[in-house]
Amino acid sequence: NAGVMQNPRHLVRRRGQEARLRCSPMKGHSHVYWYRQLPEEGLKFMVYLQKENIIDESGMPKERFSAEFPKEGPSILRIQQVVRGDSAAYFCASSLLPEPWVMNTEAFFGQGTRLTVV
Amino acid sequence: AQKVTQAQTEISVVEKEDVTLDCVYETRDTTYYLFWYKQPPSGELVFLIRRNSFDEQNEISGRYSWNFQKSTSSFNFTITASQVVDSAVYFCALSEANYGGSQGNLIFGKGTKLSVKP
Repeated sequence: NAGVMQNPRHLVRRRGQEARLRCSPMKGHSHVYWYRQLPEEGLKFMVYLQKENIIDESGMPKERFSAEFPKEGPSILRIQQVVRGDSAAYFCASSLLPEPWVMNTEAFFGQGTRLTVV
Repeated sequence: AQKVTQAQTEISVVEKEDVTLDCVYETRDTTYYLFWYKQPPSGELVFLIRRNSFDEQNEISGRYSWNFQKSTSSFNFTITASQVVDSAVYFCALSEANYGGSQGNLIFGKGTKLSVKP
């Protein structure tokens, strides 16, 4: 049973390019959470999605960032026109049930995608 | 406001020493959950423990122990007889049952980088 798979593990983009980060949740999991870890910082919540729905995007920057979790395929975090400040590690987590950290149900993090903007 | 503070940015110890990582939290909720995660150099996030606000019993798991004190809003983590493999960044995190707008998602501290030297 594969864990949460994120790819690519490392991504280098030039300023102004687009970055697409993929997250394949664990089998059967329909809840996905994206977190961002800026250098020397803890992880910060960005967005929570269920299949085909954005449930909570309160942590997403208002511009250039978007996320989706289609019926088929991985969840995608998309960053348009990247800037140096977007350089960070982006983690996703998945769970079978909602609110796993409150309800004490399992949630698993992927290994992250390290985005470097040059 | 919800907040997790890990005042120790970096700690360096020699193998076999005991080490305590501090975590202080702020929350307005009476029901909340506290977590510790380990992030080894390979980058993934490894779940260590979850504690709910109604259970102040200390917990021991092998060389790891946790001291939860509501009176001081602290949830400290002690590694006994540290080993080189314990070298990692350790994150303390909080999840609130009544959300405070966070949908029960994790609020992380900035992490403490532990280096265990042979």
